[in-house]
Amino acid sequence: GAVVSQHPSRVICKSGTSVKIECRSLDFQATTMFWYRQFPKQSLMLMATSNEGSKATYEQGVEKDKFLINHASLTLSTLTVTSAHPEDSSFYICSARETGGLSNQPQHFGDGTRLSIL
Amino acid sequence: AQKVTQAQTEISVVEKEDVTLDCVYETRDTTYYLFWYKQPPSGELVFLIRRNSFDEQNEISGRYSWNFQKSTSSFNFTITASQVVDSAVYFCALSEDYGGATNKLIFGTGTLLAVQP
Repeated sequence: GAVVSQHPSRVICKSGTSVKIECRSLDFQATTMFWYRQFPKQSLMLMATSNEGSKATYEQGVEKDKFLINHASLTLSTLTVTSAHPEDSSFYICSARETGGLSNQPQHFGDGTRLSIL
Repeated sequence: AQKVTQAQTEISVVEKEDVTLDCVYETRDTTYYLFWYKQPPSGELVFLIRRNSFDEQNEISGRYSWNFQKSTSSFNFTITASQVVDSAVYFCALSEDYGGATNKLIFGTGTLLAVQP
């Protein structure tokens, strides 16, 4: 089945640090990947849509300069939380959908990254 | 606008009981897709089912079954003979079909299911 690998699974760092999270599709190509944020006991909120070879599309209210997204290949998207602060602490989860085929193929999710900023 | 409502915040059942998780959606499009995902305590999201708006047939997969009713805009999920391993947060999600690759998923707020032994 389609596997999405997300790394690291957990990050604990000091305020002001920039943190990079990787999302890889292991056995399929993904033109589009998605980045979500989930606060404790809440739903997943889409932050941005990552498009291979072009700029990411950010949802309203998400700061582009704060959350840098790079989708340099068909199997890798990265999210960098720049100058992270305690309010950025959250569970970040990525997903990917296979390129081609029918639209609305199910998104396959990574295992998430739990980010804690001290 | 799209919206997914999961009115049940938490449900607690005893093992072997049947349980139904409700999902009600809103959309102005005639073509859309509905999903259910499971999120166990470890955090990963597990895909359970996708259903398109033109297919109202109910589906059964082992102990899981889904009831899609367009007339009431509902896509309910039933677990038969629940087990402790079913304990998780279950999310219902909606995606409208724009025919492209960037169809967003709109998630409900999730239902926490606790199955007691």
